[in-house]
Amino acid sequence: EPEVTQTPSHQVTQMGQEVILRCVPISNHLYFYWYRQILGQKVEFLVSFYNNEISEKSEIFDDQFSVERPDGSNFTLKIRSTKLEDSAMYFCASISSPAATGELFFGEGSRLTVL
Amino acid sequence: KQEVTQIPAALSVPEGENLVLNCSFTDSAIYNLQWFRQDPGKGLTSLLLIQSSQREQTSGRLNASLDKSSGRSTLYIAASQPGDSATYLCAVGSSASKIIFGSGTRLSIRP
Repeated sequence: EPEVTQTPSHQVTQMGQEVILRCVPISNHLYFYWYRQILGQKVEFLVSFYNNEISEKSEIFDDQFSVERPDGSNFTLKIRSTKLEDSAMYFCASISSPAATGELFFGEGSRLTVL
Repeated sequence: KQEVTQIPAALSVPEGENLVLNCSFTDSAIYNLQWFRQDPGKGLTSLLLIQSSQREQTSGRLNASLDKSSGRSTLYIAASQPGDSATYLCAVGSSASKIIFGSGTRLSIRP
């Protein structure tokens, strides 16, 4: 069964360092998402991406964040200068339908720990 | 701005009971609603997807209903089992590109 894959599963970094989280969405999917979940809290929308550009972003997704689809398969989330409060689980997700009427599939997540 | 609420935050029931989890949303102009399961430290597993034109969806012991006009959805779990213990999340497709989650209901099934 097709799945969304994320790497790394866990990354530990020092405050102020740049981090890149990688995702390989399901191959025929068109909409891609990043969500984050701080420990014990709700799953929060960060950004959606369609047709090689950001479709929508939340107030959390400030200038420290960026997304890219550098080739036909990878979808990355970059945090330029990490802060302690960026520590969270980051989930990538994808949908097949451009109207977002399809089923959302999630990866297993990348746990980011900022020291 | 769409807000999604799930009540109760936690629920503990004995094995074998039927139970209902609730999800409410403030803006009825939605594309769809999806129920997920999350085990501790894991990703989200899709359970059921209801399109805005549908009233319910069923999969095995799970049944999800949608009442757009009242801004509510319920997830019914029949004959609960200890393996059903997890956090259940509802997510609302509130625009073509934005899907908003509730804070979840942590379900514990006592053997």
